[in-house]
Amino acid sequence: ETGVTQSPTHLIKTRGQQVTLRCSSQSGHNTVSWYQQALGQGPQFIFQYYREEENGRGNFPPRFSGLQFPNYSSELNVNALELDDSALYLCASSLSQGYDYEQYFGPGTRLTVT
Amino acid sequence: GESVGLHLPTLSVQEGDNSIINCAYSNSASDYFIWYKQESGKGPQFIIDIRSNMDKRQGQRVTVLLNKTVKHLSLQIAATQPGDSAVYFCAENPNTDKLIFGTGTRLQVFP
Repeated sequence: ETGVTQSPTHLIKTRGQQVTLRCSSQSGHNTVSWYQQALGQGPQFIFQYYREEENGRGNFPPRFSGLQFPNYSSELNVNALELDDSALYLCASSLSQGYDYEQYFGPGTRLTVT
Repeated sequence: GESVGLHLPTLSVQEGDNSIINCAYSNSASDYFIWYKQESGKGPQFIIDIRSNMDKRQGQRVTVLLNKTVKHLSLQIAATQPGDSAVYFCAENPNTDKLIFGTGTRLQVFP
């Protein structure tokens, strides 16, 4: 088990609502990346935060936003939820934003949008 | 536990046999590759990585082979055990901030 924790474990929301997912990174890690994993697919990169600033973004609309706090924990916010947002949301922490630093994944938050 | 994927390519092997899982990556600029194992209801777990200046790397019971000419990566698991049953993903990083994951292969180990 990694030291990355995520909350909540499961969440059910209605289309149009907003959701906030939380992640605590492994001790000593200053970089957090968020991924969306649809059923039957590999994780897709949403964005990365390094020292409280967005450090890169995948092909996701602006209604996906995030924050990183001074203790390096992070939030993923999704506004105006759509049915296709139903997925497992994974948080991964790493020691640095460098490309070859191992990313440690949390267990994920399963979001269902009805 | 919850299934990670319902329609993934599946490799079925007998306990004790060796397993080989293959992956084709997309970006010729990628120079760092990782294999992850994902069990039902869990996040991906790091298995082994390899940099593009190598063509082989060994860990405990696992070996990763990299063929940059054909953009192919493989994971070999020796003496496969029931606990190895999971979905396996390869991931590449083209010197950016993100990992690009493949679609995954389900490994089923039967007695």
